[in-house]
Amino acid sequence: QSALTQPASVSGSPGQSITISCTGTSSDVGAYNYVSWYQQHPGKAPTLIIYNVNNRPSGVSNRFSGSKSGNTASLTISGLQAEDEADYCCSSYTDSSTLVFGTGTKVTVL
Amino acid sequence: QVQLQQWGAGLLKPSETLSLTCAVYGGSFSDYFWSWIRQPPGKGLEWIGEIGHSGVANYNPSLKSRVTLSVDTSKSHFTLKLSSVTAADTAVYYCARPRGPGATAFDPWGQGTLVTVSS
Repeated sequence: QSALTQPASVSGSPGQSITISCTGTSSDVGAYNYVSWYQQHPGKAPTLIIYNVNNRPSGVSNRFSGSKSGNTASLTISGLQAEDEADYCCSSYTDSSTLVFGTGTKVTVL
Repeated sequence: QVQLQQWGAGLLKPSETLSLTCAVYGGSFSDYFWSWIRQPPGKGLEWIGEIGHSGVANYNPSLKSRVTLSVDTSKSHFTLKLSSVTAADTAVYYCARPRGPGATAFDPWGQGTLVTVSS
């Protein structure tokens, strides 16, 4: 299984909105509404911020939102804040009953 | 509040077998499939596999030939063994639980264990 494709880096100024894409295939992202997004600060374990395409766990800021169209899922961070500077990674369930992660995106707050 | 605590050897030589154990504190052990995930330095996450309390397991096809997952339900532990390691297996290894039974999103995660393979 191939990793889902994400841009290596995305940047934005405080207060702006940014969107990170996560492109898979009709065997993973396109087949199921089981896309998740994780935030990871340096040296820390990933933290779940979106599950099942567009659901936020309790306690996660509503500035984070998810969507999906075809084989591509997206994470949007609105009202960008300095604390949002981190790595972000998507994941999807696959038709082989496995999980595949994205290549990861580094978000920089300018 | 469920917590995962993991441990194992952090330095291995090529061809040795990696062994990590994850202990589950709080919550149900039998309701979930428990996963291992790794992250090579500076790279993305890779799902290794998952195991249920009965021992039924699913593996990443790319690692399946070298991976063995096991559980000890009496201790609420699950273990990863990866054989014939090479430098390419150098990574931070995490154990993780789905956020709900049957879910595909992981929360919580263990603290991570850096495993370095070097001669």
